[in-house]
Amino acid sequence: DQQVKQNSPSLSVQEGRISILNCDYTNSMFDYFLWYKKYPAEGPTFLISISSIKDKNEDGRFTVFLNKSAKHLSLHIVPSQPGDSAVYFCAAFQTPSGGGADGLTFGKGTHLIIQP
Amino acid sequence: DARVTQTPRHKVTEMGQEVTMRCQPILGHNTVFWYRQTMMQGLELLAYFRNRAPLDDSGMPKDRFSAEMPDATLATLKIQPSEPRDSAVYFCASGSDTGYTEAFFGQGTRLTVV
Repeated sequence: DQQVKQNSPSLSVQEGRISILNCDYTNSMFDYFLWYKKYPAEGPTFLISISSIKDKNEDGRFTVFLNKSAKHLSLHIVPSQPGDSAVYFCAAFQTPSGGGADGLTFGKGTHLIIQP
Repeated sequence: DARVTQTPRHKVTEMGQEVTMRCQPILGHNTVFWYRQTMMQGLELLAYFRNRAPLDDSGMPKDRFSAEMPDATLATLKIQPSEPRDSAVYFCASGSDTGYTEAFFGQGTRLTVV
């Protein structure tokens, strides 16, 4: 049973346009969400995160939106650049009572392709 | 340049052989995770440790997999005996409990069991 779902295995976007990657989750106990980016033959690298007390977090070209009632989050990249071509993983977890890092539940990823 | 180091990067082995994957977490990080990536399942959490103590290994097949942290600078994941279905990329990640919850990943070990 997938608790974090990324329903689009791939997405193709023209350079300069907005890329929107979507993620849905089923576990209402999740209170922290992250996006990771992965290039071939490399490990995932952290991109941006959002706590459940917020509905938006922005970092340069990257913005993550969280809709708790819909259990949905999205990652917006604008403008999209060729270097953004990668697999993007959505991840979530429930903050342990003691705080700190805990095991992440990942979606299966969306392969973003930026076309020139 | 702080990073998680995994060895080997690639491993091809015959079915039934023992496989050991190693991970050196970022210095000062006290939480270590093992993930497995497959096409079908995506990234799955196998096990994780905090302060070298195993916290959760429910994602790991217990009969053939074992994870240990002999010391704070080394985490190991062993498969014995290995099977073709174990073929995957295995990632180690480390984090800290200083408040920020991001996990830093190594480059992974690509395991092929033939």
